Amino acid sequence: GAGVSQSPSNKVTEKGKDVELRCDPISGHTALYWYRQRLGQGLEFLIYFQGNSAPDKSGLPSDRFSAERTGESVSTLTIQRTQQEDSAVYLCASSIGQGGTGNTIYFGEGSWLTVV
Amino acid sequence: AQTVTQSQPEMSVQEAETVTLSCTYDTSESDYYLFWYKQPPSRQMILVIRQEAYKQQNATENRFSVNFQKAAKSFSLKISDSQLGDAAMYFCAYKGYSTLTFGKGTMLLVSP
Repeated sequence: GAGVSQSPSNKVTEKGKDVELRCDPISGHTALYWYRQRLGQGLEFLIYFQGNSAPDKSGLPSDRFSAERTGESVSTLTIQRTQQEDSAVYLCASSIGQGGTGNTIYFGEGSWLTVV
Repeated sequence: AQTVTQSQPEMSVQEAETVTLSCTYDTSESDYYLFWYKQPPSRQMILVIRQEAYKQQNATENRFSVNFQKAAKSFSLKISDSQLGDAAMYFCAYKGYSTLTFGKGTMLLVSP
């Protein structure tokens, strides 16, 4: 597609349920990032995929959070046993190239998650 | 670890005036990139301007320019001839070898 696509755009879930958020990066982009943005806050790094390298998971806040990426395409962020503090916008971004480059990073419009 | 600090939670400017948003960062890397992103209420992150650390010349994009002071690790954004459409949250970001680190943002308010 023309840009980074995320789905769903909005999700309301009950506390304790699992959710999956999907990200379709721009075709050909080898780098993919997930960020969390709580209301009125900055962007909090979650995880980074670069090609076939092992992902950088250093930002995942707990073992309830996990993410996968199929080759250099779609990524899924899974949150298990959701808690109210997980309510946030989850932003996905992608870029060409590896670490150490300043290639432009393009963002999707985010998935707004509300845990009730 | 790299850190990015935006010390101004909110700034105000009148239309047609100039405003400067501050950003400082901390890193031990010698090669890196700096960015300013704009986030309007739509949540879409829009790249405003980027700067390569190895370049001494300050980046400029139309009404947007930066003042990059590498020794001081400072990267401020100047918006000239401010427009109502410039109102948004602005994030400063750092990219070294790995991921992109953001500051907490500055909300820019533009009044007629």
